[in-house]
Amino acid sequence: AQSVAQPEDQVNVAEGNPLTVKCTYSVSGNPYLFWYVQYPNRGLQFLLKYITGDNLVKGSYGFEAEFNKSQTSFHLKKPSALVSDSALYFCAVRDMGYTGGFKTIFGAGTRLFVKA
Amino acid sequence: DTEVTQTPKHLVMGMTNKKSLKCEQHMGHRAMYWYKQKAKKPPELMFVYSYEKLSINESVPSRFSPECPNSSLLNLHLHALQPEDSALYLCASSQIPAGTLNEQFFGPGTRLTVL
Repeated sequence: AQSVAQPEDQVNVAEGNPLTVKCTYSVSGNPYLFWYVQYPNRGLQFLLKYITGDNLVKGSYGFEAEFNKSQTSFHLKKPSALVSDSALYFCAVRDMGYTGGFKTIFGAGTRLFVKA
Repeated sequence: DTEVTQTPKHLVMGMTNKKSLKCEQHMGHRAMYWYKQKAKKPPELMFVYSYEKLSINESVPSRFSPECPNSSLLNLHLHALQPEDSALYLCASSQIPAGTLNEQFFGPGTRLTVL
């Protein structure tokens, strides 16, 4: 079965510092990985995805993620955090057991606090 | 238009009421989804529609009844809900995967409170 784990409930970082939000995955076959962000009382917004190709994926709002097959990780990163980046971040993997529309398995979420 | 809209934003209902949640997208997406999300938890998949047909039902109680009247609209009919059904209900849409794996676009959600 496909799964993702986000080992940190919360990450605190000072504005201007680099940030990392961790994600590890467990899949059978090729992993199809996503990051989404959720601001308070809002739906989720897509940030980036890894399908195949370059291990460093660039996404929205200056975020990027590094796919590491040997460590089964897909950590989200940003070189310089902004207070407005404070939100709930979800790592997700596509469950390849379904076709025609797909099932996405979400991690538990990591709350990011960026302090001014 | 890259937006998924949901109405109403907030809904309070009693356990004997019947209400409906509505979702709309005009991106030409042929997969549409309902999720339930409790506070500080990840979204839980409820239903998936592909080409206006129900393709996934995650063993959701029958007091939740989805409907997809056309490729742009998705409804969730609610009847005889329980207080534990109070949550944020999210609608999402995506292209049907065809060689690439497509991300989902989420609406802002309906905050449902069952009294």
